[in-house]
Amino acid sequence: QQQVKQSPQSLIVQKGGISIINCAYENTAFDYFPWYQQFPGKGPALLIAIRPDVSEKKEGRFTISFNKSAKQFSLHIMDSQPGDSATYFCAASTPPAGGTSYGKLTFGQGTILTVHP
Amino acid sequence: GAVVSQHPSWVICKSGTSVKIECRSLDFQATTMFWYRQFPKQSLMLMATSNEGSKATYEQGVEKDKFLINHASLTLSTLTVTSAHPEDSSFYICSARHGLTTQTQYFGPGTRLLVL
Repeated sequence: QQQVKQSPQSLIVQKGGISIINCAYENTAFDYFPWYQQFPGKGPALLIAIRPDVSEKKEGRFTISFNKSAKQFSLHIMDSQPGDSATYFCAASTPPAGGTSYGKLTFGQGTILTVHP
Repeated sequence: GAVVSQHPSWVICKSGTSVKIECRSLDFQATTMFWYRQFPKQSLMLMATSNEGSKATYEQGVEKDKFLINHASLTLSTLTVTSAHPEDSSFYICSARHGLTTQTQYFGPGTRLLVL
């Protein structure tokens, strides 16, 4: 129930295209859903995050769409650029409520995005 | 803001030796820090959660006597890999969370460990 399933495993997009990465979860206690971008040999960098009380959040070219009833959320990268080529991870976290699971992130499997020039 | 550093960025050691990795929050106080391990082309695997001034909480299957974690201050946590073996070679990444109610984690740049 703690799993977050991410797809696709890899994605190739042409420059200027839209990249879409999907994630699904089972645990309805999750209430925080961040997306991270990771370049080879580097740590993950927080891109954008959403809570279930909104259905969409946009920051620049990055948009999270959230479907609470379907327990799914996705990352859309508009006008994809070669510099966006990286591995993207979705994640989910339960709210602060004490106990050992407090604040732990559960990560998806990752999506390797390649944007061709 | 929200910068996390790690030192060293990479380390090579002989089998049987111990290696210490530092994780620092540079511009905020981190009440909680997390340690992850990542193998090539795989996701991040949480090893342990570290709260300042208390013992770390280890995930199932992680040997606490092998991976010693100390969180002595609000800006520093250390991970010591004791008696390292080649199978411990991996990319170790820390993250830090500011405050008790926030869920946002900021990650360090990672430390590449190679055990010969």
